[in-house]
Amino acid sequence: ETGVTQSPTHLIKTRGQQVTLRCSSQSGHNTVSWYQQALGQGPQFIFQYYREEENGRGNFPPRFSGLQFPNYSSELNVNALELDDSALYLCASSLTGGYGYTFGSGTRLTVV
Amino acid sequence: KNEVEQSPQNLTAQEGEFITINCSYSVGISALHWLQQHPGGGIVSLFMLSSGKKKHGRLIATINIQEKHSSLHITASHPRDSAVYICAVMEYGNKLVFGAGTILRVKS
Repeated sequence: ETGVTQSPTHLIKTRGQQVTLRCSSQSGHNTVSWYQQALGQGPQFIFQYYREEENGRGNFPPRFSGLQFPNYSSELNVNALELDDSALYLCASSLTGGYGYTFGSGTRLTVV
Repeated sequence: KNEVEQSPQNLTAQEGEFITINCSYSVGISALHWLQQHPGGGIVSLFMLSSGKKKHGRLIATINIQEKHSSLHITASHPRDSAVYICAVMEYGNKLVFGAGTILRVKS
């Protein structure tokens, strides 16, 4: 098992820029979920992908978008960055039914 | 009111003490996760429960579906147990809704 790998680990962007975060899911997992964790708070659900299709979305604006690839890896894209987008972005992969939920170490995004 | 409430928010214990962290939720769920998060952000899944009780080493997790309540117990606590413990409920569709976390510090 290789676990869930996220890249980059840290990133600094300027307000208004765009960013792409990447996630390699655990071998055999077909579902990827993305979460945003602001400092001192619990993670908030952004969206989930299952077999390359969006399979649920949280209360985030359309400038948060994603992709899942045939190998089940995933990207999170954020356009027109705002200061409040500064957070830890967590990716988790799982099997159908939520079994084996495995988190990556996260990407810490700072928007200045 | 948050869908997932944890208590206490902060907990300081002496090494060796028995620790309990509580989680209450208000929505229908398919399962409940207990997670551990260390400084730096990485999250580790400790338990996934849909009924009853699970035990792994010094950790015990219980859930009462009728009362919508779960507890995480740590026996013989150790400074290396210091971390943030998060309760997360899995709504139908595999989306996780997280509690705010309990910051645990175990002193030697």
